[in-house]
Amino acid sequence: EAQVTQNPRYLITVTGKKLTVTCSQNMNHEYMSWYRQDPGLGLRQIYYSMNVEVTDKGDVPEGYKVSRKEKRNFPLILESPSPNQTSLYFCATSMVGEETQYFGPGTRLLVL
Amino acid sequence: AQSVAQPEDQVNVAEGNPLTVKCTYSVSGNPYLFWYVQYPNRGLQFLLKYITGDNLVKGSYGFEAEFNKSQTSFHLKKPSALVSDSALYFCAVRALSLNYGGSQGNLIFGKGTKLSVKP
Repeated sequence: EAQVTQNPRYLITVTGKKLTVTCSQNMNHEYMSWYRQDPGLGLRQIYYSMNVEVTDKGDVPEGYKVSRKEKRNFPLILESPSPNQTSLYFCATSMVGEETQYFGPGTRLLVL
Repeated sequence: AQSVAQPEDQVNVAEGNPLTVKCTYSVSGNPYLFWYVQYPNRGLQFLLKYITGDNLVKGSYGFEAEFNKSQTSFHLKKPSALVSDSALYFCAVRALSLNYGGSQGNLIFGKGTKLSVKP
C-alpha cells in the first residue's frame, strides 16, 4: 500500500531538547516537503527536497533543519525547540513534475 | 507574489443542500489549482485539481470545482451536502520553484474553510 508515515504522531517535549520527526514514503517519490499547520494560518512550508542531498528552504525554515540522505526518508530536526514551534506538522511527497502531493497523517508537537 | 485566499473561515450548510466553498488566487502564468480536505485527526487528502482543459473539474466524493480565469477563482461545489462532508477544506496553488527551472512547484495553501453540514 502506498503510504507516507510519520513518527511520532504525538510528542510533548521541553524547550531546548533536540528532537527529530521522521517521514518515510514507499512510493519512490523524488519530492518531499514539510509543512506546519497553525489555526488561522493554514499550511506553511518549512523545507522541501527535490531529491537525495537536495534541500531548500520554504517559507518558515527558522529553527528547523532537514536532511535527505535516502530517497524514502526526510526527517525534520528541531535542534533547540521553542514554544512557538508547537504545531501540527505534515510531511508530503510527490513525483517531480506530478502536481498532486500525498500527505502523511501528521505529528502533533507541544513544546513546553 | 503568488497567493491563495479563502474568504470564509466557516461555511454552514444543511444536509441535502448545495454547498460552495470559495477560493481566489493570484499567480503569474497559468495556474495549477488544487483542493484538499482534512478530516479530524487526519492528514490532508487530495480532492481534485485543475491543470488545463475543461473549467469544470470533477473530483472525489462527488465534489467539483469551477475554474474561472476572469474572476481568478476556483470555487469548490457539491450539489447535495452530506453530514460526512464536514471537514476542513484547503485550496492551494502551485508556485513554480525557480531554483529548478520551473520543473517542480511548491504548493501555497489558503488558510482553510471549515465546512459544517447539519442534519
